Amino acid sequence: DAGITQSPRHKVTETGTPVTLRCHQTENHRYMYWYRQDPGHGLRLIHYSYGVKDTDKGEVSDGYSVSRSKTEDFLLTLESATSSQTSVYFCAISAVRAGRYEQYFGPGTRLTVT
Amino acid sequence: AQKVTQAQTEISVVEKEDVTLDCVYETRDTTYYLFWYKQPPSGELVFLIRRNSFDEQNEISGRYSWNFQKSTSSFNFTITASQVVDSAVYFCALSEAASYGQNFVFGPGTRLSVLP
Repeated sequence: DAGITQSPRHKVTETGTPVTLRCHQTENHRYMYWYRQDPGHGLRLIHYSYGVKDTDKGEVSDGYSVSRSKTEDFLLTLESATSSQTSVYFCAISAVRAGRYEQYFGPGTRLTVT
Repeated sequence: AQKVTQAQTEISVVEKEDVTLDCVYETRDTTYYLFWYKQPPSGELVFLIRRNSFDEQNEISGRYSWNFQKSTSSFNFTITASQVVDSAVYFCALSEAASYGQNFVFGPGTRLSVLP
C-alpha cells in the first residue's frame, strides 16, 4: 500500500463540462502519474510530474491538463469533457524501495461522459 | 521506441492447470525494468514483480514464476496449479531506467479466466 487515494471514485458528467480528478499521496513521493485505461489499450500515460510545479506530457495528453501545487496532490483536469474521455483513470507514484524502483497505483476513478 | 506485446488476449483454463502468460518487449536501452501487474475484477492494479535488465535469474514466488530471457526479449509469467482467485487481467510493463517512469509502457493485457 503506497498511501494513494483518488477522488471521486466515480463520476458521470455531460459533454462540454469541466472535470477535475484528484490524486493524493501520503508518502512524499516525488514522481506522480496519470494514466487512462481503455479496453485493448492497457494503460496509457496522460501526464506525469517530477516535482511541485514540474509536469510533462505523456502519450495521450491532448484534452488534459495537470497541476501539482504541493507534493501530495496531483490534479488532472478535463477542460471540456468529451465522450472519448470516458475511461478509468489511474494515478500512480514511483518509489525506490530497498534500492528497487517500483510503481504503485491508486484505486482508479471511473469517468463517464454522456 | 518502447513497446510491450501480450499476444494472448484471453486465456481460459480449468482450476489446477498450469498457465503461462507471454510478454515480449522492445527497447533500445540496455538498462530497463520489467513489471507484471494483476487487475482482479474489483479493478485495482496489484504490483506482482519487477525485474532489472541486468538480472536474468528466474524468480519464483509461491505458485508464481517468471522467466526472463533477454535473448528473445521475453518476460513470461507462469502460474502453477491455477486457482479461481487467479482470474484477472494481467499486464506486463516496461520502463527504461533513465526515464524515472515517464516512459512506462504497458502491454494491452491478458485476461485469464480460471474455471472451477
